Amino acid sequence: NAGVTQTPKFRVLKTGQSMTLLCAQDMNHEYMYWYRQDPGMGLRLIHYSVGEGTTAKGEVPDGYNVSRLKKQNFLLGLESAAPSQTSVYFCASWGLDLEQYFGPGTRLTVT
Amino acid sequence: DQQVKQNSPSLSVQEGRISILNCDYTNSMFDYFLWYKKYPAEGPTFLISISSIKDKNEDGRFTVFLNKSAKHLSLHIVPSQPGDSAVYFCAASASRDDKIIFGKGTRLHILP
Repeated sequence: NAGVTQTPKFRVLKTGQSMTLLCAQDMNHEYMYWYRQDPGMGLRLIHYSVGEGTTAKGEVPDGYNVSRLKKQNFLLGLESAAPSQTSVYFCASWGLDLEQYFGPGTRLTVT
Repeated sequence: DQQVKQNSPSLSVQEGRISILNCDYTNSMFDYFLWYKKYPAEGPTFLISISSIKDKNEDGRFTVFLNKSAKHLSLHIVPSQPGDSAVYFCAASASRDDKIIFGKGTRLHILP
């Protein structure tokens, strides 16, 4: 039982490049989330999903897209990276109990 | 418009004493409240949660109190230990199908 895993752990992109962050969970959780953490801003929700095939916008969705084709995976895409997207990205999942589990994070730098 | 507020950026507490972290919210529709602990370079770790039908939930050294009329919740850690030094986030959600909103965090320092 690996919990929530994220790949990659680190990435450097040039402005305008695209990439996909992968989140996987093996707890059969319905709910999954993508957050970004910036200094002094806490955790801000980008997008979330309440089940396979569904996605919804969070607080800061602009510049990101997501997909939840399989229950265990939640993908976060950046189509054209910008320096403002330099951040640490966390994925989380939430099961039938009230416990939410986070992945270890992906540190993204956009130059 | 910040819906979940942690007004103390940092807090220092002597080892062995009680740590009290506070959180205020503005949305009366919030139904679930969660507390997390975060060490540098790691993902947040879930600590304890409470639903709006309760006013207290206890798990070992951690107790969360919810005051719905004041739209306030607090996390009590007793006794405080050195390993409790971390950033603590409060979060809230209106329903299981809604987004979870986080506060900006409070950095807790446990002093020897």
